[in-house]
Amino acid sequence: NAGVTQTPKFRVLKTGQSMTLLCAQDMNHEYMYWYRQDPGMGLRLIHYSVGEGTTAKGEVPDGYNVSRLKKQNFLLGLESAAPSQTSVYFCASSYFTGTQYFGPGTRLTVL
Amino acid sequence: DAKTTQPTSMDCAEGRAANLPCNHSTISGNEYVYWYRQIHSQGPQYIIHGLKNNETNEMASLIITEDRKSSTLILPHATLRDTAVYYCIVRVGEMAAGNKLTFGGGTRVLVKP
Repeated sequence: NAGVTQTPKFRVLKTGQSMTLLCAQDMNHEYMYWYRQDPGMGLRLIHYSVGEGTTAKGEVPDGYNVSRLKKQNFLLGLESAAPSQTSVYFCASSYFTGTQYFGPGTRLTVL
Repeated sequence: DAKTTQPTSMDCAEGRAANLPCNHSTISGNEYVYWYRQIHSQGPQYIIHGLKNNETNEMASLIITEDRKSSTLILPHATLRDTAVYYCIVRVGEMAAGNKLTFGGGTRVLVKP
């Protein structure tokens, strides 16, 4: 039981490039989330999903898109990366409760 | 979700109990108190949660005041590995829309030898 995993762990992009972050969970959780954390700050919710095929916007959705084609996967896409998107990205999942389980994070730098 | 107020930082001696306070004076009747922590560079880790009653698990105890306007997380025997930022979060209970967690600034806890 791996819990929540994230791919990749690190990435460096140039401004304007695109990329997709992958989150996978093996706990059969319904809900999945993408957060970002900037240095010295708390986590902010980007997008979330309450089930396969559904997504919704969080606090800071601009510049990001998501998809939940399979229950166990939640993808976060950056269509045209900007330096303001330099951050650590965390994925989380939960089973109808507030107990969210987090992945190890993806450290993204946009030059 | 109700707003929470926590001390910015606190120190604790290794082996002693660490008591982390949290104020949530605007909490509603259906809102739970959750505690998470984040060890440097790692993903947040769930610790404990409660509604009205005090709760205890293998990691910590949660004491909620009778009026539910504040709570205290207790780490009974702090170790160096407990050095982390601790977040107190108040949110609506199960089946709420999105089940979102709102992270504030948290309390930076430093456990000293």
